[in-house]
Amino acid sequence: EAGVAQSPRYKIIEKRQSVAFWCNPISGHATLYWYQQILGQGPKLLIQFQNNGVVDDSQLPKDRFSAERLKGVDSTLKIQPAKLEDSAVYLCASSKWDRESSPLHFGNGTRLTVT
Amino acid sequence: AQRVTQPEKLLSVFKGAPVELKCNYSYSGSPELFWYVQYSRQRLQLLLRHISRESIKGFTADLNKGETSFHLKKPFAQEEDSAMYYCALSGQGAQKLVFGQGTRLTINP
Repeated sequence: EAGVAQSPRYKIIEKRQSVAFWCNPISGHATLYWYQQILGQGPKLLIQFQNNGVVDDSQLPKDRFSAERLKGVDSTLKIQPAKLEDSAVYLCASSKWDRESSPLHFGNGTRLTVT
Repeated sequence: AQRVTQPEKLLSVFKGAPVELKCNYSYSGSPELFWYVQYSRQRLQLLLRHISRESIKGFTADLNKGETSFHLKKPFAQEEDSAMYYCALSGQGAQKLVFGQGTRLTINP
């Protein structure tokens, strides 16, 4: 099966600029996640979608971050305006939805550098 | 609150030696525990999960609820085991994964 696709792979922007990341999950996976991984740390969940509804966005900085998953398939994550501390790898993952916790399948990530 | 602690950021062992990567967790209910691995230039992927009770690539992990631990073990390390390892926890049925900070394992020849 095709894996989780993310683009772009790398992005360099200046602080206060805007940036958007795109994710295409594995076909048939109802659940989609965006994680932020700062250098030297483990991934931190930003937002979780179930189809096109938000399940958990408790750790999403909503004053600058937004995400959507129209039609319950692709998703975009946007940062506006970016800060230096947003420099990180942004990982998208998807999983099936069933009674047991299905494993997450990760994309390659987008490495964001804010200067 | 869910929390995962991996006390070692770096771990280095020689090929053929036993390896143990430590993971402790904090969760008030019945957790589901996972180990994820990221090899060089590859994406993060599932290594094993406690409910499967299986050995993957020679690795095993036992959930110890009394000690709230889920340590990853392998009796004889191989060079290809060098990677970044993350312990992760999910609340039962919640599917939200909380990750530890990771341990970089290096196997020396």
